[in-house]
Amino acid sequence: DAGITQSPRHKVTETGTPVTLRCHQTENHRYMYWYRQDPGHGLRLIHYSYGVKDTDKGEVSDGYSVSRSKTEDFLLTLESATSSQTSVYFCAISDTGMQAFFGQGTRLTVV
Amino acid sequence: QKEVEQNSGPLSVPEGAIASLNCTYSDRVSQSFFWYRQYSGKSPELIMSIYSNGDKEDGRFTAQLNKASQYVSLLIRDSQPSDSATYLCAVNNFGNEKLTFGTGTRLTIIP
Repeated sequence: DAGITQSPRHKVTETGTPVTLRCHQTENHRYMYWYRQDPGHGLRLIHYSYGVKDTDKGEVSDGYSVSRSKTEDFLLTLESATSSQTSVYFCAISDTGMQAFFGQGTRLTVV
Repeated sequence: QKEVEQNSGPLSVPEGAIASLNCTYSDRVSQSFFWYRQYSGKSPELIMSIYSNGDKEDGRFTAQLNKASQYVSLLIRDSQPSDSATYLCAVNNFGNEKLTFGTGTRLTIIP
């Protein structure tokens, strides 16, 4: 998986609680991305980062925030989890901002 | 109109035949095109990239790009049961460091 580790791999949480997902890379790639994947919607970009402390929104960013304080780590936070945020979350990295390589995914269930 | 469109399938192809997967995109300035393969419960895996009009071959895979008609396709020759997966088309625009994905086509190879 191109030196990408996502944690946790599975999580069940209650509605209204904050949740943080972590993506760690060992490739020293500049770009990091968070996607969610849902049936019928494919992969949708939540947020991405183009450098330390440099982030931008994707198409489904509402309810999510991100931080990148080190090149190797990109955190995704759900401020107050809702059932609509039940999904599989993928982190991806890229050195050029073009082709991307994906982590193993995190399956999040909000009950 | 979605930015990247794929027929969701399922597409069933006999073993040994050619599987043809198609993708259309709406933004004429799109520059880079990628095919990912995703097995059930796994993360997307990059299998092909193409940047200029024409064909690009890699083993049993051929990617075809036609920018005038705004479509990109993936041919899989001598299809094997192990090719059964969902195939995702992704597009990147010049100066835009993020990929936009189609919803994927589910391919089943019938032994």
